[in-house]
Amino acid sequence: DGGITQSPKYLFRKEGQNVTLSCEQNLNHDAMYWYRQDPGQGLRLIYYSQIVNDFQKGDIAEGYSVSREKKESFPLTVTSAQKNPTAFYLCASSGPTGTEAFFGQGTRLTVV
Amino acid sequence: EDQVTQSPEALRLQEGESSSLNCSYTVSGLRGLFWYRQDPGKGPEFLFTLYSAGEEKEKERLKATLTKKESFLHITAPKPEDSATYLCAVASGGSYIPTFGRGTSLIVHP
Repeated sequence: DGGITQSPKYLFRKEGQNVTLSCEQNLNHDAMYWYRQDPGQGLRLIYYSQIVNDFQKGDIAEGYSVSREKKESFPLTVTSAQKNPTAFYLCASSGPTGTEAFFGQGTRLTVV
Repeated sequence: EDQVTQSPEALRLQEGESSSLNCSYTVSGLRGLFWYRQDPGKGPEFLFTLYSAGEEKEKERLKATLTKKESFLHITAPKPEDSATYLCAVASGGSYIPTFGRGTSLIVHP
């Protein structure tokens, strides 16, 4: 089945650690996105990528990093510089401009 | 800059009580307007794409409509399983990146 797979579903991070969230898609989509979702805030864009080896900062990129070495993969690293990383993270992908984005099931990150 | 405003923030209905959710938008050249359903702890599930004013799409008890300034998601005779947060998003000529509203939380009581 085609879709987007995020892993892990739950992730716990200690203060000062970097963690990487995985996002893989087999929809042959060029564009991929990372959003952060907090209660009452809606979806906020962290990073996006339109093609392999190219990505752009979104509205809240500070403390995050990404890579796009393969069309299918767009991992997100939450660095120790992110002051408030506890949130629900969503990865999405889309085809040509104006077409709908499809989402993974999300990763809930908690700082312990 | 694209803007999307959804109302109401929360809506409580009795089973069978029809209603509508609103999505107002401001964009530079609409490429597409999207509706999603999101259940707690899960990723948004795609429902509809609308491209031009006057367009309508239906799926079971849901019907989405589009004008030049807003979209409505009509829910006819809702059931408790329709309880979820409904998100609206737009893609425009200015940016291919979907811009999301904050969503409407719908609760349908049996």
